[in-house]
Amino acid sequence: DTGVSQDPRHKITKRGQNVTFRCDPISEHNRLYWYRQTLGQGPEFLTYFQNEAQLEKSRLLSDRFSAERPKGSFSTLEIQRTEQGDSAMYLCASSPGPQETQYFGPGTRLLVL
Amino acid sequence: AQTVTQSQPEMSVQEAETVTLSCTYDTSESDYYLFWYKQPPSRQMILVIRQEAYKQQNATENRFSVNFQKAAKSFSLKISDSQLGDAAMYFCAYRSAQEQAGTALIFGKGTTLSVSS
Repeated sequence: DTGVSQDPRHKITKRGQNVTFRCDPISEHNRLYWYRQTLGQGPEFLTYFQNEAQLEKSRLLSDRFSAERPKGSFSTLEIQRTEQGDSAMYLCASSPGPQETQYFGPGTRLLVL
Repeated sequence: AQTVTQSQPEMSVQEAETVTLSCTYDTSESDYYLFWYKQPPSRQMILVIRQEAYKQQNATENRFSVNFQKAAKSFSLKISDSQLGDAAMYFCAYRSAQEQAGTALIFGKGTTLSVSS
């Protein structure tokens, strides 16, 4: 069991550019979550998937954000037309089921200049 | 809506000593889960301990234990025999046990724990 992995670990982009992050959950974990963490704050929920179905989206997830989990395995989070306020750590977590513990990846740190 | 409050932005402890981190939460639900996660500098978040609200017995994991007071909506973490490797940001988190309420974690703002030798 290799744990949750995320790629890239760091991303620097210019305002207005699009970025995409990838998350590979622990094998056979049905649930996959995305959170955003700004400096000095706790993570905030963005969205989650049960297999390939996106079941819930936070109001934090503006229309510039889109997430997919096409085959129920890895997931991608895309941010279009990035803004400086999007600078944050984007965390992915997975769990075997809805009431099981969530295991976190190392995160992708995004800096928008 | 549920909220989680960690009122201690920073705490410090000496090696081998005991420290307690505070957490309070607000909810109208009767069934839920509470967690403490540890986030070392530049490293990923890991679960320290988990408590089911329906269990009266406080959870323990080696040097880590909780004091769960359901009526007071309090969930503190006690670290015994502190080690240098315990230095990290600690987050208290809440999760509803009701499927329809969603299963996302709600986090507090965290407590930075420093450990001195």
